[in-house]
Amino acid sequence: FVLTQPHSVSESPGKTVTISCTRSSGNIAGHHVQWYQQRPGSSPTTVIYEDDQRPSGVPDRFSGSIDSSSNSASLTISGLRAEDEADYYCQSYHSSKQIFGGGTKLTVL
Amino acid sequence: QVQLVESGGGLVKPGGSLKLSCAASGFSFGDYYMCWIRQAPGKGLEWVSYISGSSDFTNYADSVKGRFTVSRDNAKNSLYLQMTSLRAEDTAVYYCTRDPENDYWGQGTLVTVSS
Repeated sequence: FVLTQPHSVSESPGKTVTISCTRSSGNIAGHHVQWYQQRPGSSPTTVIYEDDQRPSGVPDRFSGSIDSSSNSASLTISGLRAEDEADYYCQSYHSSKQIFGGGTKLTVL
Repeated sequence: QVQLVESGGGLVKPGGSLKLSCAASGFSFGDYYMCWIRQAPGKGLEWVSYISGSSDFTNYADSVKGRFTVSRDNAKNSLYLQMTSLRAEDTAVYYCTRDPENDYWGQGTLVTVSS
């Protein structure tokens, strides 16, 4: 199966953006979804784990959710800042293997 | 604090072998599954392998199964990835991560497979 993300999204500072991650087969709610942020030249870091949990140190401007009707997960970033400009990857599981979405480049205009 | 430091990357010819290491500190290493994840230049993330805390369980991506072997030495707080029969498409930055859910990542080590 695959996790499909938009290639890119863009929004202005202070606005809200949502990045989707659609699971092609199997129930999105059947396995936890994580979201990672990767700034240029840096390693990825976790911004959401277990669908909607925020690690300590991640601002509450970041939130995650699951929608079974569309079989997708979403990462929402509110109050956009220039520092949020990065690549974002969703990740889940299938047959004990990790699967990553293709990544979404977020541009803060 | 948790630290993961990869090493062992470099330039290798197609068909060659390389062994990566990941030195862990700041947590009880043997209590955690560990993973290898790679990222080809300009591309997305690809999970490669995991190993359980006691080395009882391992799993591999189809793209590396039969060519790569993951192992660990809990006494040395170290994770390894032995890579053989390397191909150009294995060129990537290789990260070690702590499971579950990759809550910590190393800085990565670059493997380049080229003649």
